[in-house]
Amino acid sequence: NAGVMQNPRHLVRRRGQEARLRCSPMKGHSHVYWYRQLPEEGLKFMVYLQKENIIDESGMPKERFSAEFPKEGPSILRIQQVVRGDSAAYFCASSPLAGTTDTQYFGPGTRLTVL
Amino acid sequence: KNQVEQSPQSLIILEGKNCTLQCNYTVSPFSNLRWYKQDTGRGPVSLTIMTFSENTKSNGRYTATLDADTKQSSLHITASQLSDSASYICVVRGSDNNDMRFGAGTRLTVKP
Repeated sequence: NAGVMQNPRHLVRRRGQEARLRCSPMKGHSHVYWYRQLPEEGLKFMVYLQKENIIDESGMPKERFSAEFPKEGPSILRIQQVVRGDSAAYFCASSPLAGTTDTQYFGPGTRLTVL
Repeated sequence: KNQVEQSPQSLIILEGKNCTLQCNYTVSPFSNLRWYKQDTGRGPVSLTIMTFSENTKSNGRYTATLDADTKQSSLHITASQLSDSASYICVVRGSDNNDMRFGAGTRLTVKP
């Protein structure tokens, strides 16, 4: 059973371009979470999705950021018109259920650099 | 102010020595507390989870303690190995399923 996969692992964009980050959850997991980690800071929750539905997007900026988890295919975190402040590591996690004690399994992250 | 504070921010120890990392939190109501290990360039991996009624949990050379009254937790690493070099992150979950608060982590370096 492959772990959570994220691609690309590294992404470089110029200001104003779009960034698309992909996350394939573990097999059998229908819950996906996206987190952002700034240098020297802890992970910050962004959005929680369950197949085709956004359950909680309270941590996601209202503008330029969007996320989806279609019925088929990976979850996508999309950042439009990137700015330098978007440079960070973006981690995706998945879980089979959504109970409070259910473990979230993290992917290796995508490191976004905005020039 | 972050609701999960970890100390020290960084720590250097010699291989074979023990160490203890601290986590203080203010998240309330409390559901559970996890310690994660994050290797450089990798995603976090869960080490232990403790609920309100548990005050200690072991995973090999890692032992976590929890005092829910004082809202403090510690992670003790015994007989450290070079591979223990990583960031250790304390994550506290509130009563809401999505209410996970991450500490900034303690960066541990084990030297030969």
